[in-house]
Amino acid sequence: SQTIHQWPATLVQPVGSPLSLECTVEGTSNPNLYWYRQAAGRGLQLLFYSVGIGQISSEVPQNLSASRPQDRQFILSSKKLLLSDSGFYLCAWSHRGRGSNTEAFFGQGTRLTVV
Amino acid sequence: AQSVSQHNHHVILSEAASLELGCNYSYGGTVNLFWYVQYPGQHLQLLLKYFSGDPLVKGIKGFEAEFIKSKFSFNLRKPSVQWSDTAEYFCAVNAINFGNEKLTFGTGTRLTIIP
Repeated sequence: SQTIHQWPATLVQPVGSPLSLECTVEGTSNPNLYWYRQAAGRGLQLLFYSVGIGQISSEVPQNLSASRPQDRQFILSSKKLLLSDSGFYLCAWSHRGRGSNTEAFFGQGTRLTVV
Repeated sequence: AQSVSQHNHHVILSEAASLELGCNYSYGGTVNLFWYVQYPGQHLQLLLKYFSGDPLVKGIKGFEAEFIKSKFSFNLRKPSVQWSDTAEYFCAVNAINFGNEKLTFGTGTRLTIIP
């Protein structure tokens, strides 16, 4: 069966420090991968998605970046965190391909607090 | 670009009342449609999904949704709600375009059921 791992679960970082959140998927190959940020009253905001290694699409210009160094690994990064980067970050994956079952499966999320 | 609109931000109902949550999307091509639910303190889970065929889909816990292509809508319904349905509900659309599958969520509807 497929599983998705996201870590850490909580993180407190000072303003100006770097960030690296990691997400890995097991039990499937060539998935679509997603990073979302969930904020109260704003739903799930799609930040980045990837359809393959090294292929990253950015949805919202901001202080964050994403990378996909391996097929089932998706990393969310920042060189210098801002206070406004605080939030709940969710990684998700889905099967790839037209007509396939494309529901998303979510990780447990990371609560990031920038202080 | 695809987008999802959930016009009801907060809905308050009494137990046994009927529920309908609105969801409209903007995308002219083939779509897969989803409703996710997030119970208090829990992670996102899939409620139901539409890929093709019968536009009336049934999900878990007595929920159903109807895809009306001409209206670009995918409203969620339940004939009689229970207190345990208190949660946040998210509509999502996956625009199926070969090599570019992006899952976009609405801002969510918070549902409060009064016993």
